[in-house]
Amino acid sequence: GEDVEQSLFLSVREGDSSVINCTYTDSSSTYLYWYKQEPGAGLQLLTYIFSNMDMKQDQRLTVLLNKKDKHLSLRIADTQTGDSAIYFCAENQAGTALIFGKGTTLSVSS
Amino acid sequence: GAVVSQHPSWVICKSGTSVKIECRSLDFQATTMFWYRQFPKQSLMLMATSNEGSKATYEQGVEKDKFLINHASLTLSTLTVTSAHPEDSSFYICSGGNGVSVAKNIQYFGAGTRLSVL
Repeated sequence: GEDVEQSLFLSVREGDSSVINCTYTDSSSTYLYWYKQEPGAGLQLLTYIFSNMDMKQDQRLTVLLNKKDKHLSLRIADTQTGDSAIYFCAENQAGTALIFGKGTTLSVSS
Repeated sequence: GAVVSQHPSWVICKSGTSVKIECRSLDFQATTMFWYRQFPKQSLMLMATSNEGSKATYEQGVEKDKFLINHASLTLSTLTVTSAHPEDSSFYICSGGNGVSVAKNIQYFGAGTRLSVL
């Protein structure tokens, strides 16, 4: 079946850039997402990218998609302590449930 | 953006009791609701998909008689955990979707319900 893989941990210093990587297996994925989950809270949609796009930028967030390699990345510029959370990569086709990765725990130290 | 209101946010119950979790879409019509479960340090796993007015479709390994899903209106879906046991303790999250166009395929998540069964 479809699979989404992420590295489990990333530790950065405040002010640095963070890059969280994700790979997926379903070549028919239409939408790819990044969600943020803070402790005890639900999921917050950060950004998404349609499969015919290579890049999307939204303020401090930059999403890069390499469809050939089925690789998705999320870059957070000027990382702050408030960015500490678990980041989930997810994919789906239109109207279907999301397939999630296990999440990357981002730890930001001051 | 669109909002999905999920209640309760946290519930503690005794083993053998039933717990109902509600998800309401506040400013859009959720033709489809997805119910996910998240165990500690794990990802969200889809439990079931419900379309308004239809029976829910359950994922393999999820007992439909234990996890009752009702989606009677375009703005409300409920998940009832019947005869809850400690192994049902988990974080349950719903999400709603309202169509297949590019703009509408985005699913909006509730804040989640933490269920602790003693």
